[in-house]
Amino acid sequence: GQSLEQPSEVTAVEGAIVQINCTYQTSGFYGLSWYQQHDGGAPTFLSYNALDGLEETGRFSSFLSRSDSYGYLLLQELQMKDSASYFCASGAGSYQLTFGKGTKLSVIP
Amino acid sequence: DARVTQTPRDKVTEMGQEVTMRCQPILGHNTVFWYRQTMKQGLELLAYFRNRAPLDDSGMPKDRFSAEMPDATLATLKIQPSEPRDSAVYFCASGLRTGLAGVVTQYFGPGTRLLVL
Repeated sequence: GQSLEQPSEVTAVEGAIVQINCTYQTSGFYGLSWYQQHDGGAPTFLSYNALDGLEETGRFSSFLSRSDSYGYLLLQELQMKDSASYFCASGAGSYQLTFGKGTKLSVIP
Repeated sequence: DARVTQTPRDKVTEMGQEVTMRCQPILGHNTVFWYRQTMKQGLELLAYFRNRAPLDDSGMPKDRFSAEMPDATLATLKIQPSEPRDSAVYFCASGLRTGLAGVVTQYFGPGTRLLVL
């Protein structure tokens, strides 16, 4: 089975940097994905790490350490529009994803 | 800009009634997923299809839920009979493999907000 743990809530100041951690336990592992969901909206894909290391996409970066069963999403130069829930997800198989419970990020002025 | 579409966007029904939710995946995507999201349970995978064939529906209550994909442009999720505990947002997603050994990147529809009274 799959199990992913992430903090339920994080608050950060506009312009700052925030890191959202995710630890996982999986039987079989196909990388770690991150999705963003605004209130009332649908999850949208942010990033995917198949291998150890850092993947950067603009203000967002994602990191994976397979030996530690750990990853994080790093958001830089926070903007008010980044207030949303962020989900880590891992694949038991290459098609299937199990999502964590999500981290609600609140960006304050 | 290709998107997954879902209908209806909102549905209010009474306990015992049949509910049918529809999804049109992105053209060219060969995997389709159905999820249910609640505050308590989060995002739960109900079923998924690859090339229209059901691969896994173990997350779905079989006695009342059924998922089908009659053609490549339509996926359906039915609940019969519906119960108040089925109240949730139901998302459809279609997927595209990322890289040779990568997982499928999933593109979510806007969801169907279901309320069973």
